[in-house]
Amino acid sequence: DGGITQSPKYLFRKEGQNVTLSCEQNLNHDAMYWYRQDPGQGLRLIYYSQIVNDFQKGDIAEGYSVSREKKESFPLTVTSAQKNPTAFYLCASSIDAASYNEQFFGPGTRLTVL
Amino acid sequence: AQSVTQLDSHVSVSEGTPVLLRCNYSSSYSPSLFWYVQHPNKGLQLLLKYTSAATLVKGINGFEAEFKKSETSFHLTKPSAHMSDAAEYFCVPVGADKLIFGTGTRLQVFP
Repeated sequence: DGGITQSPKYLFRKEGQNVTLSCEQNLNHDAMYWYRQDPGQGLRLIYYSQIVNDFQKGDIAEGYSVSREKKESFPLTVTSAQKNPTAFYLCASSIDAASYNEQFFGPGTRLTVL
Repeated sequence: AQSVTQLDSHVSVSEGTPVLLRCNYSSSYSPSLFWYVQHPNKGLQLLLKYTSAATLVKGINGFEAEFKKSETSFHLTKPSAHMSDAAEYFCVPVGADKLIFGTGTRLQVFP
């Protein structure tokens, strides 16, 4: 099955801890994205990557970091600098970074800070 | 700058009745537009896409949307709602370098 996988499905973090969310795709897509979704709101772009070894900040990058060492993987680290990290995190990919291309979404990771 | 307004935060319908989810966008040019659906605690799935080829766009699961430039609207419709249609729906214009997400419309379907 081709698609995007995210792990874990649920994640709990203590105050002051860094956590890393996994995103893997086997669609051979060049572009990958991380979004944050809060209740009653749309998706907000955290980071995106147009190609391996390159990534760009989105609208709400503060307190987050990413890497893109492999085409199929785009992990997101939520650092202790992110003051309100409790949210639903969605990873997506598209064939390339042209914004008119369909983005394919993973099932999401729900992060809760204890 | 591009923006999107989904006119209803919640819509409730009975099973078997028509569905109308309203979307207005603002743009200085004819945009590309998507409708995505999100079931609870799931990722988003593309319902349909407008790219100026035809103003009436048919999507999956019986949904369709009509692009009306004069009204800057891209409303989503379905003739007969099914219980499985209960979800969050997002109208998403394509910006210069990213997708523009609105706050969504939650569709409830009653038996």
